[in-house]
Amino acid sequence: DADVTQTPRNRITKTGKRIMLECSQTKGHDRMYWYRQDPGLGLRLIYYSFDVKDINKGEISDGYSVSRQAQAKFSLSLESAIPNQTALYFCATSGQGGSEAFFGQGTRLTVV
Amino acid sequence: AQSVAQPEDQVNVAEGNPLTVKCTYSVSGNPYLFWYVQYPNRGLQFLLKYITGDNLVKGSYGFEAEFNKSQTSFHLKKPSALVSDSALYFCAVRGVGPSWGKLQFGAGTQVVVTP
Repeated sequence: DADVTQTPRNRITKTGKRIMLECSQTKGHDRMYWYRQDPGLGLRLIYYSFDVKDINKGEISDGYSVSRQAQAKFSLSLESAIPNQTALYFCATSGQGGSEAFFGQGTRLTVV
Repeated sequence: AQSVAQPEDQVNVAEGNPLTVKCTYSVSGNPYLFWYVQYPNRGLQFLLKYITGDNLVKGSYGFEAEFNKSQTSFHLKKPSALVSDSALYFCAVRGVGPSWGKLQFGAGTQVVVTP
């Protein structure tokens, strides 16, 4: 089983719909991240969490919200999806200090 | 605020030639620096990291990177490129101080290795 699991892997949704992307990890890490990837823009940080009670906005949090349900679970919601939120979304986890991050396989979201 | 720059959108190299992918950073305090690789339709895979100590860091698949504090650079290198090295490469930084813990990525560099 993968260390970081994202569901769904692919999703097509309509403008205005609410959608939730889920992430779970078996690494036992406290830190979790949500990124979106767009061609030419790299990975941009949406939200990050250092523990269950700690949620922080990243570079591009507008239009998104998150929930850290447990140490192992971190979900990303689009309250009212719009077409420019079409992207590849990645969840990641890491330990503290200089620990490297582990990534999920990504969720390809298309908003039509 | 911390930032990462990868000045080249794409690097083209012939198989067997040396490969260099550039990265510069800006961060308060001492940085933690990382390189990741992404193959088509896959997630990101960790290659190597610099935390402290020796400025030359060796990682997976024959890659290495050199930390240069005065030039705030962390360039990725491979002495002899393979066609299978063709992928998208990302540099990332995690700083201390106000940006403590936040992992920030560059825009990525597409590496194309031709036979």
